[in-house]
Amino acid sequence: QVQLQESGPGLVKPSETLSLACSVSGDSIRSYYWTWIRQPPGKGLEWIGFIYYSGTTNYNPSLKSRVTISVDTSKNQFSLNLSSVTAADTAVYYCARLQVAGYWSLDLWGRGTLAIVSS
Amino acid sequence: DIQMTQSPSSLSASVGDRVTITCQASQGIRNYLNWYQQKPGKAPKLLIYDASNLETGVPSRFSGSGSGTDFTFTISSLQPEDIATYYCQQYDSLPLTFGQGTRLETK
Repeated sequence: QVQLQESGPGLVKPSETLSLACSVSGDSIRSYYWTWIRQPPGKGLEWIGFIYYSGTTNYNPSLKSRVTISVDTSKNQFSLNLSSVTAADTAVYYCARLQVAGYWSLDLWGRGTLAIVSS
Repeated sequence: DIQMTQSPSSLSASVGDRVTITCQASQGIRNYLNWYQQKPGKAPKLLIYDASNLETGVPSRFSGSGSGTDFTFTISSLQPEDIATYYCQQYDSLPLTFGQGTRLETK
């Protein structure tokens, strides 16, 4: 059974970098594309970007200047770095598997982790 | 970016009711649309992919249709466990974008 688990600090100071990791268990990270999505409290979903195990990435233009997604195949995990954060970056951050076989879908999600930006 | 507009934003219905949610894309997206269910405090769950295909394990009371710019999501007979927020999401072009969500409540 494939599972995703987000981890990282729940509190980040303004102007600093938010760093989160997503551990994949039950399958190889080489088999799929992997994404980050966020959801501010009480609001909708925003796609942040995706990565393939080869290192190929694609980011949402709205965040591109501040986002880096990386992969560590030896740990079977991928990570998100979001720099220069402000209160607007406070959200639940989800990692998810992106199916791209013929159709695209976010078919498996982690439970999410709340990141609060505050001094 | 392709804008996805759902209606209504919220909906109140009774158990057993037929419920319909619409999703409109700002430009044609063929059938490249998914529907997700999100219960409070939980991650979204994929229900329908490619506009009309039911994800494995999802009850058959859920269905989807549409192509181009206009899409429909239907629950044929609302069950108590269906109370959630529903999102459409397009994958015709990057960035992936979601509708603003439809919050479904019971009367």
